[in-house]
Amino acid sequence: GENVEQHPSTLSVQEGDSAVIKCTYSDSASNYFPWYKQELGKGPQLIIDIRSNVGEKKDQRIAVTLNKTAKHFSLHITETQPEDSAVYFCAARPNAGGTSYGKLTFGQGTILTVHP
Amino acid sequence: ETGVTQTPRHLVMGMTNKKSLKCEQHLGHNAMYWYKQSAKKPLELMFVYSLEERVENNSVPSRFSPECPNSSHLFLHLHTLQPEDSALYLCASSAQLNTEAFFGQGTRLTVV
Repeated sequence: GENVEQHPSTLSVQEGDSAVIKCTYSDSASNYFPWYKQELGKGPQLIIDIRSNVGEKKDQRIAVTLNKTAKHFSLHITETQPEDSAVYFCAARPNAGGTSYGKLTFGQGTILTVHP
Repeated sequence: ETGVTQTPRHLVMGMTNKKSLKCEQHLGHNAMYWYKQSAKKPLELMFVYSLEERVENNSVPSRFSPECPNSSHLFLHLHTLQPEDSALYLCASSAQLNTEAFFGQGTRLTVV
């Protein structure tokens, strides 16, 4: 089955700096890679995702890059703000459709702290 | 708010108790999920329902029993739990299988 490794486990940055979180996956059949943000006391919330037919996707201050050959993908947050502080999870899912479920496999999470 | 509501938010139960977790969504979604989130471990998928049919049972002990009476509600019945079952239990829903999942806030379960 799929195995997703996420690094670093904790990341501390100053407000305004950039933050990068990296994930690797093992199953070459995976073709969907979402990133979730989980704030204290809340469930994970999807912030950005990327499919295997593109190499990069950007949404304001956040971007995700994907290298299918190397089987790794990364989350980039620029101009970080204290409200970006949360736990971030990457995930990978194989292609599936119809009544077949493509299981999302999550990374271990990264605790991001943005200091004012 | 994601539109997925879980109750209770916190639950403390003894190992001999029977309790149930409830999840409700009014998003018109057809798929619902239970996940377990333990400290320093990745989210673990427990069960998947699509159109009220269970499509995934991820080798979960029988002391956890899911129920999906309709597409808007999902329950997780608990009995004879162990202390290591203490965790945050997250419910999620998606419009269809394999589309974006929306998570509830979770139930923090403590087994004593």
